[in-house]
Amino acid sequence: GDSVTQMEGPVTLSEEAFLTINCTYTATGYPSLFWYVQYPGEGLQLLLKATKADDKGSNKGFEATYRKETTSFHLEKGSVQVSDSAVYFCALSDRQGYSTLTFGKGTMLLVSP
Amino acid sequence: GAGVSQSPSNKVTEKGKDVELRCDPISGHTALYWYRQSLGQGLEFLIYFQGNSAPDKSGLPSDRFSAERTGGSVSTLTIQRTQQEDSAVYLCASSLTSGGAQETQYFGPGTRLLVL
Repeated sequence: GDSVTQMEGPVTLSEEAFLTINCTYTATGYPSLFWYVQYPGEGLQLLLKATKADDKGSNKGFEATYRKETTSFHLEKGSVQVSDSAVYFCALSDRQGYSTLTFGKGTMLLVSP
Repeated sequence: GAGVSQSPSNKVTEKGKDVELRCDPISGHTALYWYRQSLGQGLEFLIYFQGNSAPDKSGLPSDRFSAERTGGSVSTLTIQRTQQEDSAVYLCASSLTSGGAQETQYFGPGTRLLVL
């Protein structure tokens, strides 16, 4: 079945550092890939997505490129801020006709001033 | 416009009691999903609705769990005879259509359930 593996956290960085959160996936079809973010005390929000190979999703300075050859969708940001502290979830959707999400376990990011 | 809302935000119950969790999707969204977020299992899919029907119930963990959706809008997730392992955050999401894998889901804030 489908699965998503992402690096365990917490990831601890200083403000303005470069961020990478690794995500790899296993899917039988041609999935769409997503990054969701959960800020403290809030619900899940879509951060970015990519629906086909070589697509790059981007939002709020975050980027991720859909790499079919390595089955990866790593999240990157060039300069993190304290306000980026949150839990980040990589997810895929691979069902025909509807879009049930399969999530990774989440990676907590802590950014200090 | 209003997002997905869920109630209650927190629920504490005793083992063996029944609980009902409510989800109000974004107006006009035809697809509705329930997920569960727990420490040990991460985020797991429970059930999917298209309109009032549930073509995929494959994630419901036992027959103590059931869900319904009425009027193509509000959904209720019911857990009967709750057990301590049911303690989790129950998340609801909706999407405009069920147009396939690229559809974006919008999540509610969740209901935090604690079974004592």
